[in-house]
Amino acid sequence: EPEVTQTPSHQVTQMGQEVILRCVPISNHLYFYWYRQILGQKVEFLVSFYNNEISEKSEIFDDQFSVERPDGSNFTLKIRSTKLEDSAMYFCASSEGTVVETQYFGPGTRLLVL
Amino acid sequence: QKEVEQNSGPLSVPEGAIASLNCTYSDRVSQSFFWYRQYSGKSPELIMSIYSNGDKEDGRFTAQLNKASQYVSLLIRDSQPSDSATYLCAVNIGRGSTLGRLYFGRGTQLTVWP
Repeated sequence: EPEVTQTPSHQVTQMGQEVILRCVPISNHLYFYWYRQILGQKVEFLVSFYNNEISEKSEIFDDQFSVERPDGSNFTLKIRSTKLEDSAMYFCASSEGTVVETQYFGPGTRLLVL
Repeated sequence: QKEVEQNSGPLSVPEGAIASLNCTYSDRVSQSFFWYRQYSGKSPELIMSIYSNGDKEDGRFTAQLNKASQYVSLLIRDSQPSDSATYLCAVNIGRGSTLGRLYFGRGTQLTVWP
């Protein structure tokens, strides 16, 4: 069964460093998302992406964040200058054809900012 | 502020019992509703999606939606110890400025004891 994949599974970085989290969505899916989950808290929406542009972004997704689909398969989240409070699990998700359809989540990247 | 509220739990049931998980949402125009299961340290895994009022059954799981009451529930019949996890309710408003974004509840932790 097709699934969303993410790399790396874990990332440790120093405050102020840039990180890039990578995702390969399910191949025939058209909508892509990033969510994050701080330990013990809710899953929170960051951004959605469709047709090579951002569809929607949350208040969390400030100028430090960017997303890109550099080729036909990868979808990346970049955090330009990490802060301690960026430490979280970051989940990529994708859905097939419409915005109300099921979103399938990848296994996540656990980011720790020191 | 769009809210998704779940009964706080934790919920503990014996093996073979029915587990009942509840969720309310604040935005009346919400279009699609999802139950995800999340094991500790893992990503959300889809259990059920429901779009229309009424019941939807899939194996041991039944989702119930009542849009008038802004209420969605999940029943797990014949609960198994492997069902022990946190169950996340997620709502997609699917229109306007919140196209595609999933709003998650905090989750209900379920323990099924042998």
